[in-house]
Amino acid sequence: ETGVTQTPRHLVMGMTNKKSLKCEQHLGHNAMYWYKQSAKKPLELMFVYSLEERVENNSVPSRFSPECPNSSHLFLHLHTLQPEDSALYLCASSQDWRATNYGYTFGSGTRLTVV
Amino acid sequence: RKEVEQDPGPFNVPEGATVAFNCTYSNSASQSFFWYRQDCRKEPKLLMSVYSSGNEDGRFTAQLNRASQYISLLIRDSKLSDSATYLCVVPSGGYNKLIFGAGTRLAVHP
Repeated sequence: ETGVTQTPRHLVMGMTNKKSLKCEQHLGHNAMYWYKQSAKKPLELMFVYSLEERVENNSVPSRFSPECPNSSHLFLHLHTLQPEDSALYLCASSQDWRATNYGYTFGSGTRLTVV
Repeated sequence: RKEVEQDPGPFNVPEGATVAFNCTYSNSASQSFFWYRQDCRKEPKLLMSVYSSGNEDGRFTAQLNRASQYISLLIRDSKLSDSATYLCVVPSGGYNKLIFGAGTRLAVHP
C-alpha cells in the first residue's frame, strides 16, 4: 500500500471515552503532521514530528496526545474530549523537513464527532 | 494581518470560463508556495507549486508577486470537475510547516 493511510475514517466518541487515531505513511518521508479542520475554518496545525521527534506543539490542549513510534507511524490519542473538538483530523507527511519546496501528502482524514 | 488571506467566494462560473483567485501572505521570507485543491469532505491534494515568478500546468497557471506578497491561480476553460475549494498555502518557520488559507470555493455550472 502506498501513500498516507488514516484509520478510522469515521469516529463517534463520548466525552469520557479514550480513543486513538492512526496514521501510516509508506513514502519514506521524514516529517509528519497533525492538522485539525473544523467546519468553515482553515486547517490548523496541531503537531509536527521530524524524524520521530516532536518539534512543535501548537498550543494544543493536553486532551490530545500525539505519539510517533517510528518514522512511518503517527498516532493521536484522545481523551475527555469536548463537543467543540468535533472536526476532520488530517495527517500529512513531507519528503524532507529541511526543504520548503515539497508540499504535503495528506491522508483521507478521520471525521470525529464528540457526543 | 492574517498569515494567509483568500477571498472565500463562492465563484460561480459557467463551463469554459476563465477564473482567477488571489491570495495574500504576510511572511516576506517565504520562498515557495502551493495551491491545493479540496473537494467536499475530502483531504486537500496538491495542485501546483510556485517557486519563482510562476508556474503553468495545462489549464492552470500560478503566479507569484513577491513585492506585493500575493499569489494568484488562473484556471482557463473551466470544467465541471474543477468545482472545489482552492487553498493557498505558505510555508511558515522550520520543519516545512505549512499555513493554509481558508480557501476559495469555485462552482462551475453547465
